[in-house]
Amino acid sequence: NVLLTQPPSVSVSPGQTVTISCTRSSGAIDSNYVQWYQQRPGGSPTTVIYEYDRRPSGVPDRFSGSVDTSSASASLTIFEVKTEDEADYYCQSYDNGNWVFGGGTKLAVL
Amino acid sequence: QVQLVESGGGVVQAGGSLRLSCKTSGFNFDSYGMVWVRQAPGKGLEWVAFIGSDGTDKNYGDSVKGRFSITRDDPENTVHLQMKSLRIEDTAIYYCVREGQIGEPPDWGQGILVTVSS
Repeated sequence: NVLLTQPPSVSVSPGQTVTISCTRSSGAIDSNYVQWYQQRPGGSPTTVIYEYDRRPSGVPDRFSGSVDTSSASASLTIFEVKTEDEADYYCQSYDNGNWVFGGGTKLAVL
Repeated sequence: QVQLVESGGGVVQAGGSLRLSCKTSGFNFDSYGMVWVRQAPGKGLEWVAFIGSDGTDKNYGDSVKGRFSITRDDPENTVHLQMKSLRIEDTAIYYCVREGQIGEPPDWGQGILVTVSS
């Protein structure tokens, strides 16, 4: 079974840039689309990146997705971080058609 | 706009059954695959089940296989999750998700709480 590994937590100061990684345990990272979800405290998840690097309408262009095939990793980068970006972030991809989630990364904006 | 509204949650004793529903609107329901995802208290997201747009392609997470069943009612734009032989560890918020087609993001419902008591 494919696993997606994320760092449990990251912290950043307002106005800085932060990158959250998502490493696939087996198979190419670009063999299946990767999505990123934001979940603010007490809220439901929302999509901030889909199909590796696409942003839904309404998501600020401060959010950017990318993949690095050499490390089998996808990344979510948030530029000019704001306090409102403090949330849990989950990557998601597929394994034989089944959804697979990373363990989530808690972003603290200090 | 896309709307997904879950219902049917509540408190049930271990070993019991519960049926969740997700009423949708704002899109052509019969063209989309639908997914259930759950989140236990203080834990991460866990994929539960998927049903394809034609209703025949179904997959389940290992922890619910054989106990949960996903179905869809296209005339009612609704997807259901029948849960049987419920366990304490099935306690979670259950989210209904519309799987995105190519060029579209997934959309999430607000979630519904299921509590399995001993």
